[in-house]
Amino acid sequence: AQSVTQPDIHITVSEGASLELRCNYSYGATPYLFWYVQSPGQGLQLLLKYFSGDTLVQGIKGFEAEFKRSQSSFNLRKPSVHWSDAAEYFCAVGAEASGNTPLVFGKGTRLSVIA
Amino acid sequence: DTGVSQNPRHKITKRGQNVTFRCDPISEHNRLYWYRQTLGQGPEFLTYFQNEAQLEKSRLLSDRFSAERPKGSFSTLEIQRTEQGDSAMYLCASSSSVSGGHPDEQFFGPGTRLTVL
Repeated sequence: AQSVTQPDIHITVSEGASLELRCNYSYGATPYLFWYVQSPGQGLQLLLKYFSGDTLVQGIKGFEAEFKRSQSSFNLRKPSVHWSDAAEYFCAVGAEASGNTPLVFGKGTRLSVIA
Repeated sequence: DTGVSQNPRHKITKRGQNVTFRCDPISEHNRLYWYRQTLGQGPEFLTYFQNEAQLEKSRLLSDRFSAERPKGSFSTLEIQRTEQGDSAMYLCASSSSVSGGHPDEQFFGPGTRLTVL
């Protein structure tokens, strides 16, 4: 069965600083990987996804993530954080063969942005 | 495209009462998912439908929980004899399935926050 670990529960960064949120997954086959963001009182919004091909994927709002099979990681990065990026970030993995299976989410990382 | 909507947004109930939540997916989406999210956790899968067929149920979905999608459009999630442990955010998501290939994006609604007193 798939699992996702987000080691950092809470991260605080200064506005304009770079950001990296960590995600490690466990899955025997090729994973499908996602990053979602959740603002207070809002549903989850997809930032980016990895299925195959180029291991560096670009997403919305200036985010990118890199798939590293050897490290079972899919870390999310942003070169310059904006105050509006403060939110909860979830990494998720989906199974390969059965297509649209339910996602397995990590516990999330809460991002705070300070001036 | 109005997105996924969920009603009500908040529900407060007393232990032992029954509650029902509704999810309206994006109109052309044939797959609909229910997840539960408790404080400090990521969403956990409960069940999902393709059209009106319920294809999978999590072991989290006890006998007190039932979900329907009678016409393959909106879905309802009912919890009978609520317990304090049922307090959570209940999220609905929808997607458009593709034959084989990659999983498509699941679009999430804003959720229904349930508080059981």
